[in-house]
Order: sequence, then C-alpha cells, then structure tokens
Amino acid sequence: DSGVTQTPKHLITATGQRVTLRCSPRSGDLSVYWYQQSLDQGLQFLIQYYNGEERAKGNILERFSAQQFPDLHSELNLSSLELGDSALYFCASSVGIPQTPEKLFFGSGTQLSVL
Amino acid sequence: LAKTTQPISMDSYEGQEVNITCSHNNIATNDYITWYQQFPSQGPRFIIQGYKTKVTNEVASLFIPADRKSSTLSLPRVSLSDTAVYYCLVGEFSILTGGGNKLTFGTGTQLKVEL
Repeated sequence: DSGVTQTPKHLITATGQRVTLRCSPRSGDLSVYWYQQSLDQGLQFLIQYYNGEERAKGNILERFSAQQFPDLHSELNLSSLELGDSALYFCASSVGIPQTPEKLFFGSGTQLSVL
Repeated sequence: LAKTTQPISMDSYEGQEVNITCSHNNIATNDYITWYQQFPSQGPRFIIQGYKTKVTNEVASLFIPADRKSSTLSLPRVSLSDTAVYYCLVGEFSILTGGGNKLTFGTGTQLKVEL
C-alpha cells in the first residue's frame, strides 16, 4: 500500500459527460502528480501541483483541469469526454523538497471507460 | 528533460540476474535517475534512485558510469513475480520547494521471467 488513495477505482460514463477523479496523497506529501495511461500512449504526465499551486503542466487537454485543495487532496476533472479518453488515470504524490530527487508514490488508479 | 531509451522487452529465467540498460545521452548535471516497476493495472512502484556510481538496496542495484549517459538496473536472481514493466526516469533536481517537475516516463522495458 503506497498510502496514496484514488477514488473511484472504476468509472463508466458516456461521451460528452464530465467526471471527477479524486486523489488523497500520502500523509505529509505536498506534491501531487496526475498521469494518464492508455495502451497506445504509455504513461503520460498531465499536471503537477504543490501545496495548492500548479507547478508543472504536461500534455493535458484543455477539456481537462485539476486542482489541489487546502487539505492537499487533488481532483482531476475531465469534461466533454471522448472515447479516446478511456484510460487508467494515476495520481502520485511526493514530499517535494528542493534539491532532492523526487520519489513518487502512486495510487492504484482510476479506470475510466467512456462508452 | 533528458530523453530515455530502453529495450522494449527482455526475457529471463528464474534465478538469473537481469540487467536492464537505459540510455540518456543528453542527461544534464542537475538530473538524477530513478527506476520504477509496474505490474498490470497497478501504479508504478519506486525501485531505486541514484546520481552517479553505484547504488544498492534490498531489491536491486543501479550502476551509473562516470559520463552518466546510461544507467543499468540490475535485478539479482529474478523470480516469476519480477515479471513487470520497468521504467527509467530522468528527473531534474528542483531548486524550488515542490518545483515544477515534468517527470516523464518513457516506454519502459517489459521483463518476462519464465521457469
């Protein structure tokens, strides 16, 4: 158990809908990362937050947004869903200390199926 | 960020030592190297991390030559349960607390261990 909690584990929805994925980081971790993993794209970095602030952005679609709340949990919002958004979405957390290698702890993921 | 190149797949037998090499020719002075292991439908799990020379922990060793343009993950006496995808990740030391880290995973190496 990594200590990172993601909910829900599975999500089935229809095209055009909006969903919210939730992540609770490990106790004490201030950084949260979101990744998308699909069969043909591998693990894609989406976005990183630290203590409520966006710090890095990857190939995140405009239809996707995220935020980190004061209690440090994070939510990834996916809207106007398309079939191609079906994937496993992972959240990871880390301590975020300067000049220190990042060690990511991943949650078990949310499997999103868009029908 | 330095791009990484790994073999797509490797096969081994139980009890053998497995060495997976990652090429990162344009690694920068401020970059460190991390290896993760991922089982199907699970989040990646941290294995080992290093900056130069050799690092060893209870599950693996990491060898980094002086020029740091490559790194080798060594798994001693593999078992069937080591069948997984192994990712090499090059990340930058951040000068900021929780500074932006686009920690981008490559395609990984699928290791298959047989009896």
